[in-house]
Amino acid sequence: EIVLTQSPGTLSLSPGERATLSCRASQSVANTFLAWYQQKPGQAPRLLIYGASSRATGIPDRFSGSGSGTDFTFTISRLEPEDSAVYYCQQYAGSPPYTSPPYTFGQGTKLEIK
Amino acid sequence: QVQLQQSGPGLVKVSQTLSLTCAISGDSVSSGRAAWSWIRQSPSRGLEWLGRTYYRSESKWYYEYAVSVKGRISINPDTTNNQFTLQLTSVTPEDTAFYYCARDLVGAGAPWFDSWGQGTLVSVSS
Repeated sequence: EIVLTQSPGTLSLSPGERATLSCRASQSVANTFLAWYQQKPGQAPRLLIYGASSRATGIPDRFSGSGSGTDFTFTISRLEPEDSAVYYCQQYAGSPPYTSPPYTFGQGTKLEIK
Repeated sequence: QVQLQQSGPGLVKVSQTLSLTCAISGDSVSSGRAAWSWIRQSPSRGLEWLGRTYYRSESKWYYEYAVSVKGRISINPDTTNNQFTLQLTSVTPEDTAFYYCARDLVGAGAPWFDSWGQGTLVSVSS
């Protein structure tokens, strides 16, 4: 199973600052099948970034992603109060047969806006 | 725009079967591009993919399940009502979680969840 480890666990920043979140995989992620989600309290996760660096429909360009292999980064360039949320990375292991779940998630980074 | 609407009980007794339904609008459960998953979220396990079903052009339905719930889980398409269902048998308190249905377009090379249901908190009690 590919384990995704996110850091830091919690990040506290002010509006206008830059947030940088990390997602490290225990094995190389196939074909940059890596996505980032935002989850606010009481809501389902929302897709922000797919293919490691492409923004989903309607996502502002303040949000960006980069990386390949085992190291991925998610950045919010200019924080706004509504960016307060938990952010998750997710990978897909590629084609079957699977010996472990094809989809796994990181444990999340909680972003607090002061 | 794809919308997923979940329904089902929020309280299940220990050893009984958890059953949830996810109704699809804006896409077809028989889509050759999509896969239809159930994912749960709890403080102890985080976001955990449970399983999926999908249809491919060779007229075959596929079913894949996480090892952690294999033997207890069944995900089934309902083409008549354009929905899919989750059944999890022999539940214990450890199955208490928010349950989500979700779609990805793995058949089009896009294995990330672009549509989610609203979530259902399922509590397992004795």
